[in-house]
Order: sequence, then structure tokens, then C-alpha cells
Amino acid sequence: DTTVKQNPRYKLARVGKPVNLICSQTMNHDTMYWYQKKPNQAPKLLLFYYDKILNREADTFEKFQSSRPNNSFCSLYIGSAGLEYSAMYLCASSTGRGDEQYFGPGTRLTVL
Amino acid sequence: AQKVTQTQTSISVMEKTTVTMDCVYETQDSSYFLFWYKQTASGEIVFLIRQDSYKKENATVGHYSLNFQKPKSSIGLIITATQIEDSAVYFCAMRERNNNNRIFFGDGTQLVVKP
Repeated sequence: DTTVKQNPRYKLARVGKPVNLICSQTMNHDTMYWYQKKPNQAPKLLLFYYDKILNREADTFEKFQSSRPNNSFCSLYIGSAGLEYSAMYLCASSTGRGDEQYFGPGTRLTVL
Repeated sequence: AQKVTQTQTSISVMEKTTVTMDCVYETQDSSYFLFWYKQTASGEIVFLIRQDSYKKENATVGHYSLNFQKPKSSIGLIITATQIEDSAVYFCAMRERNNNNRIFFGDGTQLVVKP
């Protein structure tokens, strides 16, 4: 089973409110990623976990948080949503050995 | 600096023909991995094919194949006998082993296959 699951599929949030997105995989992958995807743009890497170690990209360091309580589960937390956060959020997983990523179906976040 | 560049924004081809999508990359790493992904109309991103930097043979999976030209830092995706359902956005990506396995994506190429 190469399925990555994401919940919810659609999320409506108000400006200034928190948002929590959830991702899970059962492939025992050691690395899990979160991307932000806007139309006509490349997926933008926000952060990733290698095992229990969180790596956040420099330009999104303070905007996004994440937790990984176990190997299968990873969340993305936005403390205070802004209009610019409206996008598709994609979770992916892979092994740490250079293998390909498997993507979830995404969560479409709309901030009003 | 952009690490992965896809210069073709959009390509339109007739069904059953062959199409090549270009991708060039930039890396100082001696060991890296190259991938092509397809984003379907629903937004889902699906892995298609990969090339490891140390392999000389071009990868082939089904009607997808790669044209790996290491001296040119180029990894083209070739789709033979295109079908309508191949219409999608195709992303090229690179993963650097010595850069904490970071992955860099290109901006994508929109492929339209016409009947």
C-alpha cells in the first residue's frame, strides 16, 4: 500500500485563526514532507521530518509548525492564518535513501 | 538560484505522437537523484520515473523514458504514443544526497494531448 492520507481534504479558515492539517502513511517511511502548492507554481517545501528531526525551510521557519508523534503521522500547524496561506497543502513521504516521494491527495485551504 | 529549471511552460501535441519535456538542474553534489512527477487534473501528484546520477542507462517505465545527459545536467522526459489522459502538468525534481536529502522541484510543464 503506497497510500498517503490527508485530512481534511478541504479546509475553510478565518484570518488570524489557527489551522491544523493531518497526514498519515503506513509505508514505514522515515521522512515526511509538507509542501505548499499554488496554481502554476512548483511545490514549495515548507518543512520535513527525517525520523524525529524537524527541518524547516529558512523562509517559512516562523510561519509553520509541525509534529510527528510517531512514524506514521505528521501534522502541519499554522498559528495565525493569513490570506496568503490559501493554497493546496501536500504531504509526502519517502525513505531517506534517495527514493521517490509518495504524495497525498492534498488539503485545499481557503482563508477568508 | 533555481536548482531545477523547466523552460517549457506549455506543450501541445497530437494523440499517439511522442513528446519530450526538458529539464536542467544545478548541483554540486556528486550523488543525486532525478524524478519526474505528474500532477493530474484533480491536483494529485504521482511519481512516474527516476534516474540515479550514478547510472548510465536511461530509465524506462511503460511509455515513459528518460534522456539523461549528465555532462549537460539535463534530464528530459520522453512520452511515446501519447494518450489524452497524459494531459497534465509534469514536474521535474532533484534530490541531493549530501544536502540532507532536500528535494527541489521545477515549475512544471503543462502538456495538452489533442485527439
